[in-house]
Amino acid sequence: AQSVSQHNHHVILSEAASLELGCNYSYGGTVNLFWYVQYPGQHLQLLLKYFSGDPLVKGIKGFEAEFIKSKFSFNLRKPSVQWSDTAEYFCAVILNRDDKIIFGKGTRLHILP
Amino acid sequence: DAGVTQSPTHLIKTRGQQVTLRCSPKSGHDTVSWYQQALGQGPQFIFQYYEEEERQRGNFPDRFSGHQFPNYSSELNVNALLLGDSALYLCASSLGGHLEAFFGQGTRLTVV
Repeated sequence: AQSVSQHNHHVILSEAASLELGCNYSYGGTVNLFWYVQYPGQHLQLLLKYFSGDPLVKGIKGFEAEFIKSKFSFNLRKPSVQWSDTAEYFCAVILNRDDKIIFGKGTRLHILP
Repeated sequence: DAGVTQSPTHLIKTRGQQVTLRCSPKSGHDTVSWYQQALGQGPQFIFQYYEEEERQRGNFPDRFSGHQFPNYSSELNVNALLLGDSALYLCASSLGGHLEAFFGQGTRLTVV
């Protein structure tokens, strides 16, 4: 069965540190990739998405992600994190339109002020 | 423009009871999906409704059922509640044929 793996369950960083959260998926065909963020007490929000084209995609709040097809990876990056980035981050994949979203287990990010 | 709204926000039920959760999709959306997010886990797909029919279903028992109304709103019903059903239940809406889904804040169900 298709799955999404997130490498880190908990990450603690200081403000201004660089961030990279790993994500791998297990599916050999065409995929549509997402990163969602869940701030404390808020709903899941879309951070960025990749459907096709330039494998480096930019999202909101300075986040970006790179799709590397040969590695089945879609890692999330931010050059300098802020305290307000404290949240849980989910990598996700959809195989086909109108299909279910397959989520990773999430990475809880805590930024120290 | 209202986003996805879910009710209630919190609920406490006893084992064996039944529960109904409600979802109103984002304006203009016709597809509703439900997810269960257990503590420390990512959301797991329960089922999806489109045109008042269940279009897809995840690996959940028949105790989980749903409904979609003509105005595209949806209900999730869970019968014979188990302690393991305690979770955050998320509703997501989308427009058929589109990949992007929008999520509600969820209903936190606690079974005691």
